This record gives sequence, structure tokens and C-alpha cells, in this order.
Amino acid sequence: EAQVTQNPRYLITVTGKKLTVTCSQNMNHEYMSWYRQDPGLGLRQIYYSMNVEVTDKGDVPEGYKVSRKEKRNFPLILESPSPNQTSLYFCASSFTRQEASYEQYFGPGTRLTVT
Amino acid sequence: AQSVTQLDSQVPVFEEAPVELRCNYSSSVSVYLFWYVQYPNQGLQLLLKYLSGSTLVKSINGFEAEFNKSQTSFHLRKPSVHISDTAEYFCAVSAYNQGGKLIFGQGTELSVKP
Repeated sequence: EAQVTQNPRYLITVTGKKLTVTCSQNMNHEYMSWYRQDPGLGLRQIYYSMNVEVTDKGDVPEGYKVSRKEKRNFPLILESPSPNQTSLYFCASSFTRQEASYEQYFGPGTRLTVT
Repeated sequence: AQSVTQLDSQVPVFEEAPVELRCNYSSSVSVYLFWYVQYPNQGLQLLLKYLSGSTLVKSINGFEAEFNKSQTSFHLRKPSVHISDTAEYFCAVSAYNQGGKLIFGQGTELSVKP
């Protein structure tokens, strides 16, 4: 089954304790992206990757890191989480070919609470 | 750069009534247009998309959206809603030349009441 998986689905942590949220896709997509969803703000892009070893900042990158060492995986790293990073996080992937129309496939989400 | 505005944050409606969720976008280049749906406690799923050709596109569960280039709109409509349509709906655009980046609107929460 074609899918994007994220782990963990729920996470409660304390300020300053490093954490990683994993994302993996099995569709051989070049493009992967992380979003955060907050009430009234929709989805805002944190980081994206056009292919292996190619990453770039989205609209709200502060406080986050990513890496893309394999095509299927795109982990999101919070080295020193703060309460304002409490949010619902989504990973997504797509092809980059124009004829594929850039339709993005989303993971189930990770609800992060930082106390 | 592109931007998307969803004109209503919440739309309450009774079951079997028609509904329209409004979406306007701005872009200096040609774009693809999408509507995604998020059911409670789930991720986003593609509802329908406009790529080219016929300006009216339809989903399998009765929604339709019409691309209006002159008004830069992509409103979502359904003639008769069901309780199960209760969800948050996101409009999104992707520019032809940006290899995948999606810009989302703020979302519209559709609440269908019996």
C-alpha cells in the first residue's frame, strides 16, 4: 500500500529535550515536506526536500532541522523544543515532475506537546 | 509568490442543504489548484484537483469545484451535504515551475448538522 508513515503519532516532552519525528514514504517520491498545523493558521511549511541531500527552508523553519540521506526518509529534528512548537505536524511527499501535478500525499500526523 | 485565501473559517449547514466553500488565490504564474479534506483526527486527503482542460472538476463523493481564471477563484460546492462531510477543507495552489511546493489557505471548518 502506498503510504507516508510518521512516528510517533503522539508525543509529550519537556522544554529543551531533543526529539526526532520520523517520516518515511514508499512511493519513490523525490519531494518531501514538513508542515505544522495550528488553529486559524492552516498548514505552514517548515522545511522541504527536492531530493536526497537537497533541503531548503519553508515558511517557518526556526527551531527545526531536517536531513535527507535516503530518498524514502525525511526526519524532523527539534534540538531544543519550546512550548511554541506545540502543534500538529504533517509529513508529505510527491513527485517533482510537472506531469505528476505535484499531488502531495500526507502522513497521519504527529501531535506534539512541549511543556 | 503565491497566496491562498479561504474566505470563511467556519461554515455551519444543515444536512441535505447545499454548501459553497470559497477560495481565492493570487499568483503571477500558472498554477495547479487543489482541495484537500481533513476528517477529525486524521491526515489530509486529496479531494479534487484542477490541472488543465475543463474548468469544472468533480470528486467521487459529490463535491465539485470550478476554476475561474478571471476571478482567480476555485470555490468548492456540493448540492446536498451529509453528516459525514463534516471536516476541515483546505484549498491549495502549486506553481508550475516550483517542483512541488504547495501553498495552503487557512482552512474552512464545515459542520453539518442534522
